[in-house]
Amino acid sequence: AQTVTQSQPEMSVQEAETVTLSCTYDTSESDYYLFWYKQPPSRQMILVIRQEAYKQQNATENRFSVNFQKAAKSFSLKISDSQLGDAAMYFCAYSGGSNYKLTFGKGTLLTVNP
Amino acid sequence: EAGVVQSPRYKIIEKKQPVAFWCNPISGHNTLYWYLQNLGQGPELLIRYENEEAVDDSQLPKDRFSAERLKGVDSTLKIQPAELGDSAVYLCASSLDLGSPLHFGNGTRLTVT
Repeated sequence: AQTVTQSQPEMSVQEAETVTLSCTYDTSESDYYLFWYKQPPSRQMILVIRQEAYKQQNATENRFSVNFQKAAKSFSLKISDSQLGDAAMYFCAYSGGSNYKLTFGKGTLLTVNP
Repeated sequence: EAGVVQSPRYKIIEKKQPVAFWCNPISGHNTLYWYLQNLGQGPELLIRYENEEAVDDSQLPKDRFSAERLKGVDSTLKIQPAELGDSAVYLCASSLDLGSPLHFGNGTRLTVT
């Protein structure tokens, strides 16, 4: 079974600084997708970034980028120039196999200090 | 485009009472999901629909939970009877098809007293 591990229950960063959230996963599949979702207090899960496993190039979306290490099964999220609005729970998620079931980690609570 | 709409936002009921949640997915999205999110945890899949068909309901506690997706659009999730341990957030999501990114609603926070 696929598992997703986020080893940092909480992280904090100063406004305008850079922070990296860690995620590792376990799978026997060769083709899959990885995601980072953001969940603010409004509870809505918002897709931050998506990585296809067959692509070696790391995905980037404005201030958000990932470091995808397929051999190490590692998928970290880097947030540059952190803003107060980035404060939220961040979930790493894996989707693969014949049914593309989305499996989430337990999340990392990010605090942004002014 | 309008997002995934869920109602109600909050629901408080006494144990042993029934409760129902409603979800309207993004127009044109064939795949619909119901997730359960316990406090401090990531969401866990309860059931997935492809159009009207429930194709993955292995995690749905069928003794008390039921779901339906009539006409392949809106969906309802029901619990009868509710137990204290059912207190959680129930999230609905939809995607264009299997493998496409999921779009989530705001969820329903259920409190069972």
